[in-house]
Amino acid sequence: AQTVTQSQPEMSVQEAETVTLSCTYDTSESDYYLFWYKQPPSRQMILVIRQEAYKQQNATENRFSVNFQKAAKSFSLKISDSQLGDAAMYFCAYRSRNNNDMRFGAGTRLTVKP
Amino acid sequence: DAEITQSPRHKITETGRQVTLACHQTWNHNNMFWYRQDLGHGLRLIHYSYGVQDTNKGEVSDGYSVSRSNTEDLPLTLESAASSQTSVYFCASSESTPDTQYFGPGTRLTVL
Repeated sequence: AQTVTQSQPEMSVQEAETVTLSCTYDTSESDYYLFWYKQPPSRQMILVIRQEAYKQQNATENRFSVNFQKAAKSFSLKISDSQLGDAAMYFCAYRSRNNNDMRFGAGTRLTVKP
Repeated sequence: DAEITQSPRHKITETGRQVTLACHQTWNHNNMFWYRQDLGHGLRLIHYSYGVQDTNKGEVSDGYSVSRSNTEDLPLTLESAASSQTSVYFCASSESTPDTQYFGPGTRLTVL
């Protein structure tokens, strides 16, 4: 079964600075999707960014971008110009292309310091 | 606006009682999912459905059941609640298999 590992239980960043959250995964499949979800204190799970494994270009969404290294099975999230509202738990997730069994990492708690 | 809702948002129950958590989506999505979230485990899939009358077991399905009688709803039932089922439960939906899943606000369940 696929596994997702987030090795940083907690991270902190100064407001306006850049932070990178790490994620690695284990799979024997070649076609899949990777996601970063944000969970603020409200508990709502909010999609931040999505990457399709067959696309070599790294996905970006405004201040959020990923560094997808398929051979290394690594999928890190970079947050630029960090804002106080970015403080949350961040979950990395993997899903095979042909089924809906999504696997999540244990999460990284991001603190943003003013 | 279309949305996905869960009720109740908080529930306290006793060991051995039957509990049903509701999930309702207005996107007309085919796929619906139930996850539980526990510290140190992220989210784990309990059950999912690809459409009306279809249900499938996920990674941690023991002690849970679902039924899909219409497109909008996928209730999750704990037949005999156990303290190990104390958790936060999330419902999600997606239009089709490759699509992104969208999550409800979650239900915090405490089993005493």
